Amino acid sequence: AQKITQTQPGMFVQEKEAVTLDCTYDTSDPSYGLFWYKQPSSGEMIFLIYQGSYDQQNATEGRYSLNFQKARKSANLVISASQLGDSAMYFCAMREGVGSGNTGKLIFGQGTTLQVKP
Amino acid sequence: GAVVSQHPSWVICKSGTSVKIECRSLDFQATTMFWYRQFPKQSLMLMATSNEGSKATYEQGVEKDKFLINHASLTLSTLTVTSAHPEDSSFYICSASPPGTSNSYNEQFFGPGTRLTVL
Repeated sequence: AQKITQTQPGMFVQEKEAVTLDCTYDTSDPSYGLFWYKQPSSGEMIFLIYQGSYDQQNATEGRYSLNFQKARKSANLVISASQLGDSAMYFCAMREGVGSGNTGKLIFGQGTTLQVKP
Repeated sequence: GAVVSQHPSWVICKSGTSVKIECRSLDFQATTMFWYRQFPKQSLMLMATSNEGSKATYEQGVEKDKFLINHASLTLSTLTVTSAHPEDSSFYICSASPPGTSNSYNEQFFGPGTRLTVL
């Protein structure tokens, strides 16, 4: 069964510094996608970045980059130049490929609460 | 990106009443929608997969008779919490993917969520 693990319940980072949020996963499906979402106190889920299992290069989106280490089954999120507005809960999620009976549902990790200090 | 709406954004009800939450895909058709539940400071837990024109698929441990899901059209799925009790108080979020995205390489779009409080 697929599983997503985020081992950092909470993280602090100084404004303008970089921070890495850890995520490990487990799946037997060779085709899968890894996502990171940000959830501020308002509750909305904001999509940040995506990495496909067959992608050769690490995904980047502005200040967000995904450190994808397939052999280690890790997909850590790196936020560069942290801003006060980055304070939120961050979720790593995995979606297995549809076609082998999977529905394409997302499975989420436990989440990491990030606080950016001024 | 695609837009998913939810209504209501929050609801307070008395114990024993039923509450209906709507999830709409505004600019695309969604054959599949997902319903999640989230308690404070916790992760999103998938409750069920809503399939247009057929029965929903519930995750293990989710009571089908308590959480009724209807996906009557390609743009609307509803979740009805029947005979709600205080322990059903939670944040309910739906998500959907545009059609033709039957592989892992596509984003799910989330609704803004509905906060349910049962007194």
